[in-house]
Amino acid sequence: DTAVSQTPKYLVTQMGNDKSIKCEQNLGHDTMYWYKQDSKKFLKIMFSYNNKELIINETVPNRFSPKSPDKAHLNLHINSLELGDSAVYFCASSPRSSSYNEQFFGPGTRLTVL
Amino acid sequence: DQQVKQNSPSLSVQEGRISILNCDYTNSMFDYFLWYKKYPAEGPTFLISISSIKDKNEDGRFTVFLNKSAKHLSLHIVPSQPGDSAVYFCAAVNSGTYKYIFGTGTRLKVLA
Repeated sequence: DTAVSQTPKYLVTQMGNDKSIKCEQNLGHDTMYWYKQDSKKFLKIMFSYNNKELIINETVPNRFSPKSPDKAHLNLHINSLELGDSAVYFCASSPRSSSYNEQFFGPGTRLTVL
Repeated sequence: DQQVKQNSPSLSVQEGRISILNCDYTNSMFDYFLWYKKYPAEGPTFLISISSIKDKNEDGRFTVFLNKSAKHLSLHIVPSQPGDSAVYFCAAVNSGTYKYIFGTGTRLKVLA
């Protein structure tokens, strides 16, 4: 059973396109996250939702918009893709509304913008 | 400004010996620290954590040490096994926020 799943695993697209990455967790967790791992391997938080409410919104371009239809899903929509958006995007979830918990990560989505 | 740093990008260790991975942080508000392990083409998986009220936490072959005055933590793996070969990330968080800050990772290679 996959705990945190992401689709697609690979995404290759042209500059200027709009794309979405989906994330689902079946762990019953309250909090979900999106991270970006760039070419320098920095794993940086982008967004976090707790019970469908946005609690972290880092300084990412507003071309990136997270959407949480329910607490098991956190999707990432990216408009007008740019070359610099190429990275691996990880979704994660954690059990409770507390920072004293580990996060469970999805397998990542490798986005390549040509 | 990188608040969590792992200054060694890679480390090679013989099987059966101790692996020591280091992590430094700058933000004194961090009060919970975690280590994750990552295999290629997979997401990071949680390994071990420590609260700032402790200086040591042990789980089987894995021990994390925290030196708050030096703002330094380390992960010890004893004995190291070839299956431990992976990238190890340390992370830190200030309780009351959900903002986990990750280091850049150390690639550990355990030689058989």
